[in-house]
Amino acid sequence: ILNVEQSPQSLHVQEGDSTNFTCSFPSSNFYALHWYRWETAKSPEALFVMTLNGDEKKKGRISATLNTKEGYSYLYIKGSQPEDSATYLCAFRGDSWGKLQFGAGTQVVVTP
Amino acid sequence: DTEVTQTPKHLVMGMTNKKSLKCEQHMGHRAMYWYKQKAKKPPELMFVYSYEKLSINESVPSRFSPECPNSSLLNLHLHALQPEDSALYLCASSLDPRDSSYGYTFGSGTRLTVV
Repeated sequence: ILNVEQSPQSLHVQEGDSTNFTCSFPSSNFYALHWYRWETAKSPEALFVMTLNGDEKKKGRISATLNTKEGYSYLYIKGSQPEDSATYLCAFRGDSWGKLQFGAGTQVVVTP
Repeated sequence: DTEVTQTPKHLVMGMTNKKSLKCEQHMGHRAMYWYKQKAKKPPELMFVYSYEKLSINESVPSRFSPECPNSSLLNLHLHALQPEDSALYLCASSLDPRDSSYGYTFGSGTRLTVV
């Protein structure tokens, strides 16, 4: 994989349900994998920066896992709430210059 | 202050105009970035400034000219743009460009329309 790919492109979730989605990235020259949450008309907000294979991060009801050997990361949302509605971007860092390569995002819509 | 401030939020410019986008942060971050995002596409890196020096130019056309006058301020000067340059321009900063454990702080972007 040369690009950063996210799937699905969008998903609709009922309030209270849990969901997860995927980020695939190059499995070589790994420095870090970032997750951002982006609400409409706001700034992208950093959720996690993951640097170690096998790393797991958690922030409230949101958690993420990382597999650098196979080049994927999962983001989980437990007990989705309407305020979780946003586009979730992942970004791969493959060099020492700070350059991030973004995926196109997964748009999550949580309906009451 | 934990924000990146971008001005203006919206800009409409003609193809013969000269305009500038401004980005400011007061968090002591030493790396600043310009990204361009077209609808439904990933943000694409344009420029990276590291310790106020241009470290990455992603083969951006010369009609886009970045400037970093000091560690808190990043400008993007625009001249003779084309309609296809219409996009959301995002500025971001990070504490230390050499440390991969730091995330970016983003501004809310400038929505540029070239007519």
